[in-house]
Amino acid sequence: SQQGEEDPQALSIQEGENATMNCSYKTSINNLQWYRQNSGRGLVHLILIRSNEREKHSGRLRVTLDTSKKSSSLLITASRAADTASYFCATDTKAAGNKLTFGGGTRVLVKP
Amino acid sequence: EPEVTQTPSHQVTQMGQEVILRCVPISNHLYFYWYRQILGQKVEFLVSFYNNEISEKSEIFDDQFSVERPDGSNFTLKIRSTKLEDSAMYFCASSARELNQPQHFGDGTRLSIL
Repeated sequence: SQQGEEDPQALSIQEGENATMNCSYKTSINNLQWYRQNSGRGLVHLILIRSNEREKHSGRLRVTLDTSKKSSSLLITASRAADTASYFCATDTKAAGNKLTFGGGTRVLVKP
Repeated sequence: EPEVTQTPSHQVTQMGQEVILRCVPISNHLYFYWYRQILGQKVEFLVSFYNNEISEKSEIFDDQFSVERPDGSNFTLKIRSTKLEDSAMYFCASSARELNQPQHFGDGTRLSIL
């Protein structure tokens, strides 16, 4: 897979359930960020996790990072219809400054 | 909460025409970026800008593209002679520092080339 590839590509869940999506990357990273994009809108920053961190929380969001497996996961707990969006991971490397490389995203549909 | 603003939200232009996309980054941010997202594809990096000069640019950012910070608040992307394949959503982003800081994105400008 390419730098920053998410899976699954699409996820459909009921309101109240948890949603988990994964991101894999190939080269060593400096940071990994997760973004949300509502249809036709901009990218909203959710969480930044540094390469020396393993887990971060923000509200109902939990991000893990496993640099040995070159992967990250985003967990949304107790999902709401308003969480319906596409979720992207983006990585940056020390070699490439702060240029972000995005994955293809996971489309999440939360059904009420 | 401070945010990045982009204008216009939608621009329709004839092929071969020049277009300028405008962005107002978050006021205390020092690093500025342009990305684009062709419909159905990944978000792609175009260029980063710091201290009034380009820090890095991608292969997409050829001689048809230029960026400028004409004053203390605006950051612009100019496409000199637009092509059909320039049709995309263009996002501006800014960050406080280069490393270990989130990039905050605007809502984008949808550019349609006819």
